Amino acid sequence: DTEVTQTPKHLVMGMTNKKSLKCEQHMGHRAMYWYKQKAKKPPELMFVYSYEKLSINESVPSRFSPECPNSSLLNLHLHALQPEDSALYLCASSQDHRGTAEAFFGQGTRLTVV
Amino acid sequence: TQLLEQSPQFLSIQEGENLTVYCNSSSVFSSLQWYRQEPGEGPVLLVTVVTGGEVKKLKRLTFQFGDARKDSSLHITAAQPGDTGLYLCAGETVADSNYQLIWGAGTKLIIKP
Repeated sequence: DTEVTQTPKHLVMGMTNKKSLKCEQHMGHRAMYWYKQKAKKPPELMFVYSYEKLSINESVPSRFSPECPNSSLLNLHLHALQPEDSALYLCASSQDHRGTAEAFFGQGTRLTVV
Repeated sequence: TQLLEQSPQFLSIQEGENLTVYCNSSSVFSSLQWYRQEPGEGPVLLVTVVTGGEVKKLKRLTFQFGDARKDSSLHITAAQPGDTGLYLCAGETVADSNYQLIWGAGTKLIIKP
């Protein structure tokens, strides 16, 4: 199993809503990542979890709150988002936090904030 | 600020033609990765190059890492419509024991039948 599974695939939410994005992998990887990608741009790193501990937060606004319940799961809790937060949110995992060498990406969640 | 300049940003060619995509930087990378991404999907890792001067082949795709590990190229021979997609390079660096990926801006490739 070399899959990273993200749910939902699409999400439309209002600026006052609270929602969560979910990511799951069963490859035994100990590093997991959240990226944000705008159209025609490369992915931008948001958070890195290494051995279930948050190791990097790239100055992401607090309306994005990551959570790593266990080594296979990674969540991104969303609250009071702005329309400019609309983007493709990508989860990735790698064996460890040696950069994202041999990283596997999920299909992404297409988020639209209205 | 570390930059990885990727060119061209957009390329539209006929099936059967050859093409090369370049990624250049003034920084030295410990490794460099090439990804392909289709619309609405996540990037898929194609190859990782680690050693200066390394050449890797993946069917019709040839990847090269520069001798100084500052640049890389992707060459596609006899391009097929199925090669259409966004190609991204990403260089790995280390700063204060933190590994980072520096991403190129991407090359949108369209292969016309």
